[in-house]
Amino acid sequence: GESVGLHLPTLSVQEGDNSIINCAYSNSASDYFIWYKQESGKGPQFIIDIRSNMDKRQGQRVTVLLNKTVKHLSLQIAATQPGDSAVYFCAENKEGYQKVTFGTGTKLQVIP
Amino acid sequence: DAGVTQSPTHLIKTRGQQVTLRCSPKSGHDTVSWYQQALGQGPQFIFQYYEEEERQRGNFPDRFSGHQFPNYSSELNVNALLLGDSALYLCASSRSGRTNTGELFFGEGSRLTVL
Repeated sequence: GESVGLHLPTLSVQEGDNSIINCAYSNSASDYFIWYKQESGKGPQFIIDIRSNMDKRQGQRVTVLLNKTVKHLSLQIAATQPGDSAVYFCAENKEGYQKVTFGTGTKLQVIP
Repeated sequence: DAGVTQSPTHLIKTRGQQVTLRCSPKSGHDTVSWYQQALGQGPQFIFQYYEEEERQRGNFPDRFSGHQFPNYSSELNVNALLLGDSALYLCASSRSGRTNTGELFFGEGSRLTVL
């Protein structure tokens, strides 16, 4: 069946350092892999996605890496800021299907 | 430009009761998805509505039903509430076509507590 899991439940990072959040997935048929950020008391917010035929995509201060060989997805945040403190979810979607499957989340704590 | 709005923000019900949650999608969006998020967990897909029809459904019982109106707004109904239905219910909207990528715009949710 489909599942999206994360390696670490909590990640603490010093302000200014780079953060790396990892995720393992099991559904090789997914077409898109997505990262969402959820701040306390708010709904998830789309950060970046990557199509399954790519291995890297960059956004503003974020980079997503996809390794299909080992079914691994990561989100890199450069120069982590206090505003980056949140729970990060990886998710996946198969084109033509209408549901996005979320993992359990990693809490990122930024230490000032 | 208003984003996704949900109501009510918080509500308390007792077991066996019924609840209706409401969602207005982001302007320009025609597709609405509903998710259930238990404390400390990721959102779980309930169903999605497009053109007033349920297009896809997750692994939720028939007690969970929905509706989409011509103005694209949507309702989620849950009958015969159980303690385990206590969760944050999230509405997400998207434009048909963009849904395939997994880019969703979420509201802030309705926190349901069942006593």
